[in-house]
Amino acid sequence: AQTVTQSQPEMSVQEAETVTLSCTYDTSENNYYLFWYKQPPSRQMILVIRQEAYKQQNATENRFSVNFQKAAKSFSLKISDSQLGDTAMYFCAFMKDSGGSNYKLTFGKGTLLTVNP
Amino acid sequence: DTEVTQTPKHLVMGMTNKKSLKCEQHMGHRAMYWYKQKAKKPPELMFVYSYEKLSINESVPSRFSPECPNSSLLNLHLHALQPEDSALYLCASSHPWTGMETQYFGPGTRLLVL
Repeated sequence: AQTVTQSQPEMSVQEAETVTLSCTYDTSENNYYLFWYKQPPSRQMILVIRQEAYKQQNATENRFSVNFQKAAKSFSLKISDSQLGDTAMYFCAFMKDSGGSNYKLTFGKGTLLTVNP
Repeated sequence: DTEVTQTPKHLVMGMTNKKSLKCEQHMGHRAMYWYKQKAKKPPELMFVYSYEKLSINESVPSRFSPECPNSSLLNLHLHALQPEDSALYLCASSHPWTGMETQYFGPGTRLLVL
């Protein structure tokens, strides 16, 4: 079974600064996907970024980037130029690649990020 | 377009009521999901439908009854719920194909059972 660990229950950052959220996972699989989802207070859960395990290049989406270390089973999220709208619960999630027949996302417990003005 | 819609947004029901939650997507996704989420916790998977067939039931109590009438719609029928069933119920959808399994979530239905 896979496990996902987010060791920082809460974090805060000043507006315009950079923050890194950590995520580690445990799996015996070689092919899998990793995700970061963002869930603002009382709002919809949205996909922030996705990484395929077979890709060595780290995924980036505008101000969001990941540091994917497959050997270390680490998948951290860096948010640059933090904005007030980045305040949210961030969930790291794992899905193994089963050729389209597995649909289970394993979530971490989440990190509540607060961006202060 | 990555939109999943859910109705109603809020629902209050008594323990003897019967109600239904509705989820809709028009992205051509053939996998649809129901999750339950308690405050400040990650979502917990309840059911998965793949090509309109139930493929995963995570040992959910029978007072929750899912239904997938077609490839765009997913319902969750509720009956004789308990106060501990109060939660945010999220619907999600994805392509069931390798490389396209990213799940897109709806805004959820916030359920209160009295």
